[in-house]
Amino acid sequence: DAGVTQSPTHLIKTRGQQVTLRCSPISGHKSVSWYQQVLGQGPQFIFQYYEKEERGRGNFPDRFSARQFPNYSSELNVNALLLGDSALYLCASSPGRLGNNYEQYFGPGTRLTVT
Amino acid sequence: AQSVTQLGSHVSVSEGALVLLRCNYSSSVPPYLFWYVQYPNQGLQLLLKYTSAATLVKGINGFEAEFKKSETSFHLTKPSAHMSDAAEYFCAVIRSGAGSYQLTFGKGTKLSVIP
Repeated sequence: DAGVTQSPTHLIKTRGQQVTLRCSPISGHKSVSWYQQVLGQGPQFIFQYYEKEERGRGNFPDRFSARQFPNYSSELNVNALLLGDSALYLCASSPGRLGNNYEQYFGPGTRLTVT
Repeated sequence: AQSVTQLGSHVSVSEGALVLLRCNYSSSVPPYLFWYVQYPNQGLQLLLKYTSAATLVKGINGFEAEFKKSETSFHLTKPSAHMSDAAEYFCAVIRSGAGSYQLTFGKGTKLSVIP
């Protein structure tokens, strides 16, 4: 079975621009979470979506938004990019909102560089 | 609030030596704890998880961890290091509430294996 997939792999944007990152969860998984990993740090939680609704949000500004589609894939949008948004963005899927002992499966990430 | 602290940002061991990566947690309720591994330019892979079923947890690639409530610790060990174990390791705890759950990660420990 295919794991979590993310696109694109790498992305270079300029300050002030907007970016959209995409994630496809493991087949049958209904929950998608997004994490930001700045170089040298552990991942930080941005959003969790389940059944197309936002279920949790981390401490990130409103420039960050996301949505989940009927096929459970998800997009993360970041507006008005800042240099500090440069990071690896990780998507994780899980079977259900509180399913399977909270186990989450991560994709390979999208490396965003803001210049 | 649940959190984890990883002691030592960088650990070096000789090939064949014991691997010990330290993680202490802070939680007011019985925690769900995880260890993830991240190889360069890749996403996170789950090594093992503690969900209160057993205090000694065995994971993939010969790793195991022991939950010690009295010490609030969940250290990761492997009896004999291989070159392929060189990677970054993250300890994480689940934070849950209001119908959502998120992983809160430590800052990571980079493991180097010396031939």
